Amino acid sequence: EIVLTQSPATLSLSPGETATLSCRASQSVNIYLAWYQQKPGQAPRLLIYDASNRATGIPARFSGSGSGTDFTLTITSLEPEDFAVYHCQQRTNWPLTFGPGTKVDMK
Amino acid sequence: QLHLQESGPGLVKPSETLSLTCTVSGDSVGSSGYYWGWIRQPPGRGLEWIGSIYYSGSTYYNPSLKSRVTISMDTSTNQFSLKLGSVTAADTAMYYCAKHWPRFRAVSVGFWGQGTLVTVSS
Repeated sequence: EIVLTQSPATLSLSPGETATLSCRASQSVNIYLAWYQQKPGQAPRLLIYDASNRATGIPARFSGSGSGTDFTLTITSLEPEDFAVYHCQQRTNWPLTFGPGTKVDMK
Repeated sequence: QLHLQESGPGLVKPSETLSLTCTVSGDSVGSSGYYWGWIRQPPGRGLEWIGSIYYSGSTYYNPSLKSRVTISMDTSTNQFSLKLGSVTAADTAMYYCAKHWPRFRAVSVGFWGQGTLVTVSS
């Protein structure tokens, strides 16, 4: 099973700043990594798949990069609605696994 | 527009079987190339994939739950279901049904139901 670790656990930023979130895999997942945003009381929402492809309707301020074992989600110019928990997930093979999440909260 | 709705008991007794159904509207569970799945999230914790089913009926399960899980599909009712046996308090969680994305590859979870909270308690 591929284990995903995310850092930092919490990121405290102000609106307008840039958030840089990291996800590292215990072995190569090629580009088969996705990112999700989850707000309290809501289901997760797909932001990025295949490491860098934005899902339908996702604003351009969200971007993903990386391949192999190291991946980054960047949120430029944070909007108030971007403060949430972000999960990474891989499925280069079964089982599909998720990282523990990074909380982006308001400073 | 795709909509997934979970249904089932919100309270299950220890050692019994948790049974949930996901009703799909706006799409067909038999759509060629798509996977449908179940994911759970214990209160205050991270996401855990339970298992998925391909449109053809092939199933894939989390090894940590495989001995207790069955996922099935009914194209006549456009639903897919989860059964988790011998539950304990550790199975208390929000359970989400979902559609994988993109077609044929299931590398992500593109669409989620709103989730249903299942508590295991006597």
